[in-house]
Amino acid sequence: NAGVTQTPKFQVLKTGQSMTLQCAQDMNHEYMSWYRQDPGMGLRLIHYSVGAGITDQGEVPNGYNVSRSTTEDFPLRLLSAAPSQTSVYFCASRNRTLTYEQYFGPGTRLTVT
Amino acid sequence: GDSVTQMEGPVTLSEEAFLTINCTYTATGYPSLFWYVQYPGEGLQLLLKATKADDKGSNKGFEATYRKETTSFHLEKGSVQVSDSAVYFCALRRWQAGTALIFGKGTTLSVSS
Repeated sequence: NAGVTQTPKFQVLKTGQSMTLQCAQDMNHEYMSWYRQDPGMGLRLIHYSVGAGITDQGEVPNGYNVSRSTTEDFPLRLLSAAPSQTSVYFCASRNRTLTYEQYFGPGTRLTVT
Repeated sequence: GDSVTQMEGPVTLSEEAFLTINCTYTATGYPSLFWYVQYPGEGLQLLLKATKADDKGSNKGFEATYRKETTSFHLEKGSVQVSDSAVYFCALRRWQAGTALIFGKGTTLSVSS
């Protein structure tokens, strides 16, 4: 198993550009989430999905879109990048059972200039 | 709403010192509690977990006990090593299905030889 994979590892965008951060998992996990990590803020939930075709907003959803057309993939779209979206983005997945471990991808470091 | 509060860092210790990182939480119902560790340049890894009151999670010499009466889940290790230098995150998951993790802000631990 590759686990949770994220691409790209690094990205630099100009203000106003759009892009998609890719996330895929090969563990057949129902639940997938996107977090952003900022210094002194910990990890904050952006969007999550409980299964294909079902998504919901987290704590900081503004400026981001998600979709879940397959169990494996959960892309995060930045519609019009802003400097405030400079962050490290982590995708995570877990199985249905509440106590199961959440697996994290290696992260994407995004800089918006 | 639900939240997790961790002690502010950084925590700086000498090798073989005793470690405590405090974590308290606010949540309705009976959340599951977790400690995650993030080594430099990597994603988060589950360190230990506890799913009900008085449970003790343990792994790699680290321990934490789920104390419902004090709403706490403090992380302890009797003798830290240089390789334990990392950022430690306390997190909770509410009892409802489909919920993602709520993280504390993280505590940076630096261990010197």
